Amino acid sequence: EIVLTQSPGTLSLSPGERATLSCRTSQNIISNFLAWYQQKPGQAPRLLIYGASSRATGIPARFSGSGSGTDFTLTISRLEPEDFAVYYCQQYDGSPKTFGQGTKLEIK
Amino acid sequence: QVQLVQSGAEVKMPGSSVKVSCKASGGTLSSYAISWVRQAPGQGLEWMGGIIPIFGTANYAQKFQGRVTLTADRSTSTAYMELSSLTSEDTAVYYCARGAWARLENNWFDPWGQGTLVTVSS
Repeated sequence: EIVLTQSPGTLSLSPGERATLSCRTSQNIISNFLAWYQQKPGQAPRLLIYGASSRATGIPARFSGSGSGTDFTLTISRLEPEDFAVYYCQQYDGSPKTFGQGTKLEIK
Repeated sequence: QVQLVQSGAEVKMPGSSVKVSCKASGGTLSSYAISWVRQAPGQGLEWMGGIIPIFGTANYAQKFQGRVTLTADRSTSTAYMELSSLTSEDTAVYYCARGAWARLENNWFDPWGQGTLVTVSS
């Protein structure tokens, strides 16, 4: 099973700042089969990024994904109030598909 | 734009089974894989398994093998997840989510259903 480790666990920032979230995998992810999701309280996760760097339909350009191999990053260039949420990475290279434990992005 | 609409909250006794449905609205399930993911209270996301309705083929996370059954009714564009031998540790929100392709491998999930809370309690 591929283990995903996200850091930091909690990130405290202010609106307008830049957020950098990390996801490290226990094995190389082939073909960048890695996705990022946003989850707000009481809501289902929402796809942000797939293929490590492709934005999903309707996702603002301030969200970007990068990385390869075992190290991946989600960057939010300029935080909006609605961006404060929990973010999960997920690998879909191997089975079972696994998720990181999440990074909580909170308002400072 | 397809939406996935799940059945309502359930309260179950330990040792019993639960069956959750996931219906496609505004589209079809048949041409995509459907996965099920659960989230225990205050916890992260855990993939349980996936099914391709058009083929009826499914795969399961080893943790749930023998206890979960995924099925689909193509005529109603509805997928089902049945989990048996429930314990308190199965208390969670259960989500269905559509994969990008009609295959079990290499799928990201979009969209997701709204979630179904299953509470296991005596």
